[in-house]
Amino acid sequence: GAGVSQTPSNKVTEKGKYVELRCDPISGHTALYWYRQSLGQGPEFLIYFQGTGAADDSGLPNDRFFAVRPEGSVSTLKIQRTERGDSAVYLCASSLTGLRTDTQYFGPGTRLTVL
Amino acid sequence: SQQGEEDPQALSIQEGENATMNCSYKTSINNLQWYRQNSGRGLVHLILIRSNEREKHSGRLRVTLDTSKKSSSLLITASRAADTASYFCATDVGNDMRFGAGTRLTVKP
Repeated sequence: GAGVSQTPSNKVTEKGKYVELRCDPISGHTALYWYRQSLGQGPEFLIYFQGTGAADDSGLPNDRFFAVRPEGSVSTLKIQRTERGDSAVYLCASSLTGLRTDTQYFGPGTRLTVL
Repeated sequence: SQQGEEDPQALSIQEGENATMNCSYKTSINNLQWYRQNSGRGLVHLILIRSNEREKHSGRLRVTLDTSKKSSSLLITASRAADTASYFCATDVGNDMRFGAGTRLTVKP
């Protein structure tokens, strides 16, 4: 009965580097979400997948951010040319069908620090 | 951008007291949800209230929704030290949810 898992739990990188953050959703969940949370703030929506396709990527802040979910399960959030302002906790969530009334189950997050 | 705003930003009470947190939002919604977060990491879903509902209960939690005022409240009765956490409201915007900045609740033993 594993929940949503995210790896790594912490990532420290230097400005300008490329990073990948991984999310393993609950088995069988078709919907997957990425959020970003800065200190003292609530989660900020980034992107939503329904199956393999990005159903809504309107929250991605710029073209340095990209996410994939090639087989409809595991997802990877990719950040190019990282900036200090990218430092935050990146949260992943999954839900069974993606319906608005579905409960989203969150992973523990990846804390990204860009030096 | 964030949709909801919680009030107060921080709340400190004694164990056994009730805690009330409020959430205001800007646009029409279908559902409003409350989440809890410990130590700045994963969120846990507490309760969902639909736009056609006015009140909902779950254990020691009571949620109200007033769509005319675009506001919701979360009441935790008989609080415990273990209730110490941040509480967020979230409203549905299209396919995703938008969260407020949260209320940081501290329950002193």
